[in-house]
Amino acid sequence: EADIYQTPRYLVIGTGKKITLECSQTMGHDKMYWYQQDPGMELHLIHYSYGVNSTEKGDLSSESTVSRIRTEHFPLTLESARPSHTSQYLCASRPGQRNYGYTFGSGTRLTVV
Amino acid sequence: GQQVMQIPQYQHVQEGEDFTTYCNSSTTLSNIQWYKQRPGGHPVFLIQLVKSGEVKKQKRLTFQFGEAKKNSSLHITATQTTDVGTYFCAGGGPNFGNEKLTFGTGTRLTIIP
Repeated sequence: EADIYQTPRYLVIGTGKKITLECSQTMGHDKMYWYQQDPGMELHLIHYSYGVNSTEKGDLSSESTVSRIRTEHFPLTLESARPSHTSQYLCASRPGQRNYGYTFGSGTRLTVV
Repeated sequence: GQQVMQIPQYQHVQEGEDFTTYCNSSTTLSNIQWYKQRPGGHPVFLIQLVKSGEVKKQKRLTFQFGEAKKNSSLHITATQTTDVGTYFCAGGGPNFGNEKLTFGTGTRLTIIP
């Protein structure tokens, strides 16, 4: 039962387009994260947030931006899509308490042609 | 930066055999988490270890955190077809609770019926 929702589930888009991947969670979690994962590979942190109006860059953040205006919403924007952006994008959240793991969304599979 | 390696990268076992994956960090971790990702799915949180030398069990799964808090292992006894997937460890940096998790490279487990 998913309490964190990502849309779209699949997206095919042309090079140079601006796209926003949506992520929303209904659990009231303070901490939210975006990861990029190529098939069968490790997850790489793109951006994270510890609460409203808090955003930080991860390891692969240089070509994307995020915002956190509301607790439940953490969208990721690619200003100009490139074929190298083709990947799966996973959103995750975690409560403020330290003894909880991440809850991941189902992901957005992005293909840039 | 922090690096987390896992071995083996792939493991094929006969159903009923045991399975172990090992996780090693280049730096001391505040905590380590384990996730399972089914083929085509998203990572699902299994467990978190915090204390040096900690051992936790979940049915057929046994998780260990090394004394130096730089390595961990996951052992599955008597594998079943439902165990198929990729197992990731994820290490937390020194600021426990506000850390960024660094995911390991993953071990993909396949079961031969």
